[in-house]
Amino acid sequence: EVQLVQSGAEVKKPGESLKISCKGSGYNFTSHWIGWVRQMPGKGLECMGIIYPGDSDTRYSPSFQGQVTISADKSISTAYLQWSSLKASDTAMYYCARGVDHWGQGTLVTVSS
Amino acid sequence: IVMTQTPLSLSVTPGQPASISCKSSQSLLHSDGKTYLYWYLQKAGQSPQLLIYEVSNRFSGVPDRFSGSGSGTDFTLKISRVEAEDVGVYYCMQCIQPPITFGQGTRLEIK
Repeated sequence: EVQLVQSGAEVKKPGESLKISCKGSGYNFTSHWIGWVRQMPGKGLECMGIIYPGDSDTRYSPSFQGQVTISADKSISTAYLQWSSLKASDTAMYYCARGVDHWGQGTLVTVSS
Repeated sequence: IVMTQTPLSLSVTPGQPASISCKSSQSLLHSDGKTYLYWYLQKAGQSPQLLIYEVSNRFSGVPDRFSGSGSGTDFTLKISRVEAEDVGVYYCMQCIQPPITFGQGTRLEIK
């Protein structure tokens, strides 16, 4: 069974750094791209970028280029999304997805002073 | 690529049909012959779930009351007979070229 398990909810202060994770199982981790999707409170879905875990080739959506870093460690079948300096506007639910078909359960990130 | 869904909300009596339109600003037909248009349903408090892939193919476990059609830049998701469990927000998505983009979402409620 394909599963994507994301790390737990985070509460952070503005300016802090953060790295959340998405662990894949039940399939060959390098055979599908992993995407990260943001959903701000009460809003729609926005793709932040995708990574091909086999070679770590990463494509960022223009709105998120330079704002976040997407990475992957294929040895442990895990993809990451990280921020170096969080803002209140980063408060959102973040989903990872395996290609188009399977999604993680989401990680809620709250940034508040 | 901009994805535009209509309507943005829909109220349907159980047992009646429903239809959602999705238009893309560029053709989603790839040179490999596939059309990279997908439909998702996000129920309250849940992750999005894939309903339809490549325009018209139902994903595993999706009831046959859901169907997708269209080509090029115009696509439609139809529910033949709406049930209470179909409540949520429906999104179309394209991944023919980065960045992947979603429609604004269509909220389906039951009358």
